[in-house]
Amino acid sequence: DQQVKQNSPSLSVQEGRISILNCDYTNSMFDYFLWYKKYPAEGPTFLISISSIKDKNEDGRFTVFLNKSAKHLSLHIVPSQPGDSAVYFCAASVTGANSKLTFGKGITLSVRP
Amino acid sequence: DSGVTQTPKHLITATGQRVTLRCSPRSGDLSVYWYQQSLDQGLQFLIQYYNGEERAKGNILERFSAQQFPDLHSELNLSSLELGDSALYFCASSWTGASNQPQHFGDGTRLSIL
Repeated sequence: DQQVKQNSPSLSVQEGRISILNCDYTNSMFDYFLWYKKYPAEGPTFLISISSIKDKNEDGRFTVFLNKSAKHLSLHIVPSQPGDSAVYFCAASVTGANSKLTFGKGITLSVRP
Repeated sequence: DSGVTQTPKHLITATGQRVTLRCSPRSGDLSVYWYQQSLDQGLQFLIQYYNGEERAKGNILERFSAQQFPDLHSELNLSSLELGDSALYFCASSWTGASNQPQHFGDGTRLSIL
């Protein structure tokens, strides 16, 4: 049972435009959400997180939006740069339980120069 | 560089064998996690340690075991290896192991079973 879903396997955008990566979850107990970026032959790198008490968190070019009623979150990258080309994983955890992360399968973002 | 070090980077072995994967967490981090990434799968949580004690277990096979040592490094032991154990194994660490802290990942060990 896939509790964190990234339904689009890939996304291609033009340099300078906005990239929007989507993530859906089914477990209503999740209350902490993270995005990781992964380059080939490297481990996932933490990008940004959001707690369920917020609906938006911003860090430079990266903004994460959380819609709890829809069980949906998205990562916006503005402006997109060729160096952003990577696989992006959405992950979630439950406060108070063990702190394991449940990951989606990832989205491959390609930013065209 | 996340500060999490995993060795070896690659491991090739045969079915039935036993291997040990090693992880050194970021300086100051007390909690270590192990994840498995198989082909077409997202990262699957295996086990978590905090300051030497097991804190949480995921879908870890009985053939797999782990421990965290007093110097906080961790080892994941995989025995009676099967072809299906071929995967990327990632270690991650966090400061206290609380669920609202990001985990920082190493570059993984790629295990190939022939």
